[in-house]
Amino acid sequence: GAVVSQHPSWVICKSGTSVKIECRSLDFQATTMFWYRQFPKQSLMLMATSNEGSKATYEQGVEKDKFLINHASLTLSTLTVTSAHPEDSSFYICSARVAGENTEAFFGQGTRLTVV
Amino acid sequence: GIQVEQSPPDLILQEGANSTLRCNFSDSVNNLQWFHQNPWGQLINLFYIPSGTKQNGRLSATTVATERYSLLYISSSQTTDSGVYFCAVGLNYGQNFVFGPGTRLSVLP
Repeated sequence: GAVVSQHPSWVICKSGTSVKIECRSLDFQATTMFWYRQFPKQSLMLMATSNEGSKATYEQGVEKDKFLINHASLTLSTLTVTSAHPEDSSFYICSARVAGENTEAFFGQGTRLTVV
Repeated sequence: GIQVEQSPPDLILQEGANSTLRCNFSDSVNNLQWFHQNPWGQLINLFYIPSGTKQNGRLSATTVATERYSLLYISSSQTTDSGVYFCAVGLNYGQNFVFGPGTRLSVLP
């Protein structure tokens, strides 16, 4: 099946710094990718929808200036957590579907972010 | 938006037992997937099953789209089946999947 690669798998950063997470579709193109966040013992919640060549759309309550999303190509979306704080510590997962096909979604391995 | 419910929220089984996990959704969907989240957080795709029945080894799933529910069957459970099982539903391409709250399964030796 199709593969979505997410990097890094885990990262520890200091408060106030920025962290970039990459999500790549390795063997297919994706005009749309999705970023989810998961807090401990909770389900996955959609943060934002990343659209190739245009601005991302954010879910209510998600700060767009804090979580910068760039989808510069059909195979790469990046999520940058700016001025990270301990409350941003979470598990972030991206997903993508093959462009134009209404089929299953493929998920990255996830990134565990710890802000100290 | 679409609401997704899963039951039971928690399930404890003895190794070798069978179980059925249920997913109910509030509206018609075009896509439905079952996932197992492993201890490292990775989502393992079990089934893509917007309708019908599929089987893969000890696991099988059935979705009755007209009645808005899906079932995941686990037979002869093993300790490695422990973890959280999520149901996620979606509409068309370009729209995200909505996840249920999950069922936390513990299989005891």
